[in-house]
Amino acid sequence: DAKTTQPPSMDCAEGRAANLPCNHSTISGNEYVYWYRQIHSQGPQYIIHGLKNNETNEMASLIITEDRKSSTLILPHATLRDTAVYYCIVRVAYNQGGKLIFGQGTELSVKP
Amino acid sequence: DAGVTQSPTHLIKTRGQHVTLRCSPISGHKSVSWYQQVLGQGPQFIFQYYEKEERGRGNFPDRFSARQFPNYSSELNVNALLLGDSALYLCASSPAGASGGFSYEQYFGPGTRLTVT
Repeated sequence: DAKTTQPPSMDCAEGRAANLPCNHSTISGNEYVYWYRQIHSQGPQYIIHGLKNNETNEMASLIITEDRKSSTLILPHATLRDTAVYYCIVRVAYNQGGKLIFGQGTELSVKP
Repeated sequence: DAGVTQSPTHLIKTRGQHVTLRCSPISGHKSVSWYQQVLGQGPQFIFQYYEKEERGRGNFPDRFSARQFPNYSSELNVNALLLGDSALYLCASSPAGASGGFSYEQYFGPGTRLTVT
């Protein structure tokens, strides 16, 4: 599985866009980029995933560079409730093993 | 619809005891995975079960075992508890993919907080 690198922490002002980077320089052609977040003391929550095209859903946007070696998760209008640890995970979409490999993630603090 | 449920919410055990944690997946999900999350770290994969069979195992000692029942609920058992087993234990369910593999859109429960003293 490709390894990911994320900054350990970031701050964002409430109402502003939060841009969370992730490096995955060893990503393979059939590996997707997944993002999860974990609000304190809760289970991780799926946010979004993508292969090579940019993706958007009701929670966030995912921008993947053309060479697929890095990506950015964008929360367009961050709120205090978006304060959480954000995990970037790279894996094939469907796998017989089914496991997710979490790194340390980025701790996002949204401040008023 | 109910999400993934886990019980108990919190548990305190003594070293050497054993513990059983329970998980009920989202209705219609046949795959259940277990993760251990030690304070300050990301979750670590322990087991995955699908159709009552073990499909994946992480790097955990044999003191850890699990099973899945016909209704797809699951139990995680840990024997001979150590202080280092203190953690948040997370259960996740997911639907199987069309090709028989497993989607990474896994849905996590709130976890069971285990404290070993």
